[in-house]
Amino acid sequence: DAGVIQSPRHEVTEMGQEVTLRCKPISGHNSLFWYRQTMMRGLELLIYFNNNVPIDDSGMPEDRFSAKMPNASFSTLKIQPSEPRDSAVYFCASAGRGLTEQFFGPGTRLTVL
Amino acid sequence: DQQVKQNSPSLSVQEGRISILNCDYTNSMFDYFLWYKKYPAEGPTFLISISSIKDKNEDGRFTVFLNKSAKHLSLHIVPSQPGDSAVYFCAARRVNAGGTSYGKLTFGQGTILTVHP
Repeated sequence: DAGVIQSPRHEVTEMGQEVTLRCKPISGHNSLFWYRQTMMRGLELLIYFNNNVPIDDSGMPEDRFSAKMPNASFSTLKIQPSEPRDSAVYFCASAGRGLTEQFFGPGTRLTVL
Repeated sequence: DQQVKQNSPSLSVQEGRISILNCDYTNSMFDYFLWYKKYPAEGPTFLISISSIKDKNEDGRFTVFLNKSAKHLSLHIVPSQPGDSAVYFCAARRVNAGGTSYGKLTFGQGTILTVHP
């Protein structure tokens, strides 16, 4: 059974460019989470979807960040325009009904030059 | 405002001995606690959890203890093995005002565990 799938695994881009991160949750899971991990702030939740609907986006840093979940098997996190301070590892996680443990993908390491 | 704190950035233990990782929280609305393990270049992996109605949960070499009055939980690994060397994150889930569980997890900063052969 495939776990959470994220792409790309690594992304290097220049400041001002648009970045799109992709996530495929575990089949049958109805909640999806986007996290960002940095040395300074640790692992912080950016946005949380339940049944494809955004429930809590209070962690999204600013308007440059946007996330969508057009269907139960796909989500994107977009940064436009990107800035060097956006450099981090971005994780996607999914959870089934009951909202107990979340299952994480391998992450996307983003470097903005 | 750090609601979940892991005050020890690192812990070093000899193989075969006990590892004790600690976590403190401030929000009394947390109802469920989880421990995750993370290896470099991988996502966090769920390890063990405990509901706020319990004070202990055991799974093989891993035991989590919860002291609600002290708002403190700990993860015990016995015996520790070199393969346990990783970053360990404590996480907490809260109930909302209506008493239903809310999916958001709040994570601690993590503790780097090193188990020496």
